[in-house]
Amino acid sequence: GQQVMQIPQYQHVQEGEDFTTYCNSSTTLSNIQWYKQRPGGHPVFLIQLVKSGEVKKQKRLTFQFGEAKKNSSLHITATQTTDVGTYFCAGPPGRKLIWGLGTSLAVNP
Amino acid sequence: KAGVTQTPRYLIKTRGQQVTLSCSPISGHRSVSWYQQTPGQGLQFLFEYFSETQRNKGNFPGRFSGRQFSNSRSEMNVSTLELGDSALYLCASSLVDPGTNTEAFFGQGTRLTVV
Repeated sequence: GQQVMQIPQYQHVQEGEDFTTYCNSSTTLSNIQWYKQRPGGHPVFLIQLVKSGEVKKQKRLTFQFGEAKKNSSLHITATQTTDVGTYFCAGPPGRKLIWGLGTSLAVNP
Repeated sequence: KAGVTQTPRYLIKTRGQQVTLSCSPISGHRSVSWYQQTPGQGLQFLFEYFSETQRNKGNFPGRFSGRQFSNSRSEMNVSTLELGDSALYLCASSLVDPGTNTEAFFGQGTRLTVV
C-alpha cells in the first residue's frame, strides 16, 4: 500500500548543530505537508509544498520537495531547545493524508 | 476564532466497554479526520468525514465507527474496547479537504486508557 517513510526516527543534537529529516513516499504526491508536535502536544502545521523542486524557508527551517515529488526534507540550521519535538511529514496520494512515523528531535543545551 | 475542541480530554474505560469521543471543528471547516496515535506507530488514519459523509477510511476494524452532524461536529465510537485501543485520539479539521492545498488543524486529543 501507499507508504511514507521518515528517517531518522530519532535524532539527538547539541544546541547549535544542524538537523535534517527526510521523507520518502512510495507514490508521487500532489503535495506534502510538514507538522511539528511538541512533547505532550498535538501536531501543528508548519508548511505545505506543492511544486516539483520547491524550496521554502521559515527562519532557520528549510523545506524541500523533490523533483519527482516523492521525497521531501526539512533542515534546521543551528538548532535551539525550542526546536524539540517530533516532526511529521504527510502526503496525500489521494484525499487521505498518509503520515510518516515522524522524527523525534532532542536538543542538548 | 476558536480552535478544534475535543472532549473529553482524558478517559479511562474497562475492556469490553464502548466509548464515544467528540470533536468540534473550527467554524466553517467541513472536513473532519480522526487519527489514532500510539508510541512507535505514529499517526494512524481512522476516517475522514466531509459534509456528513464518510469519504475515506483507514485500516481499522469495524469496532471503530464515526459520524458527522450537519453542524460539522463529529463523533467517533469504539465498541468492545481492547487494551490495545489505549491511545491518543486526535481529530483534525480543515476548510475543505486535508489532501488538497489546505492545512489540517488538530485538537488537543482525547487520551483513552483501557484497563
